[in-house]
Amino acid sequence: DVKVTQSSRYLVKRTGEKVFLECVQDMDHENMFWYRQDPGLGLRLIYFSYDVKMKEKGDIPEGYSVSREKKERFSLILESASTNQTSMYLCASSLTESGANVLTFGAGSRLTVL
Amino acid sequence: GNSVTQMEGPVTLSEEAFLTINCTYTATGYPSLFWYVQYPGEGLQLLLKATKADDKGSNKGFEATYRKETTSFHLEKGSVQVSDSAVYFCALSEGAGNMLTFGGGTRLMVKP
Repeated sequence: DVKVTQSSRYLVKRTGEKVFLECVQDMDHENMFWYRQDPGLGLRLIYFSYDVKMKEKGDIPEGYSVSREKKERFSLILESASTNQTSMYLCASSLTESGANVLTFGAGSRLTVL
Repeated sequence: GNSVTQMEGPVTLSEEAFLTINCTYTATGYPSLFWYVQYPGEGLQLLLKATKADDKGSNKGFEATYRKETTSFHLEKGSVQVSDSAVYFCALSEGAGNMLTFGGGTRLMVKP
């Protein structure tokens, strides 16, 4: 089975701190994604990447950046954390199959910014 | 742009009850449609999918039929179990890169 591993399940940070969320997948997927999940809002796409060193903005990229130096690793960076970035962050990866993009998700990283 | 609308939860049912979670979508072309499920403390998992009109996706007793005429993809199960308690997300995928657009999620609670 494909595994998507998010290194931190729970983080507590202070306003202004730099935060790194790491995600690693082990099935050679080209595509990787970062979403945030908030009650009533579902999942919103922050950034995605189709290849090493490639990144594209999603729907809500403000306040975030990403890094993809290796195919298996996709990092989400909060340069200066703010309280409105308190959320659950979900990483996902995929291969495109049968014309439909099926995502495999990690377990999530719950970030609290004080 | 694309959008997905789900019924708001929580939906509370007794074990063995019939389940319907409504999902409607807006898309410019011919999207693929998905239901994902998130069990407590876990990430999302694909439950079922349908890639063209009139397709029926099914898995673990759950079914959903791609209805282009009503732009809907309602999730159904004939007899729910306590273990089905989770959050269910409807999603669509369309266009360059096949990006997924998610609905807001519906929490299902099944009581013994």
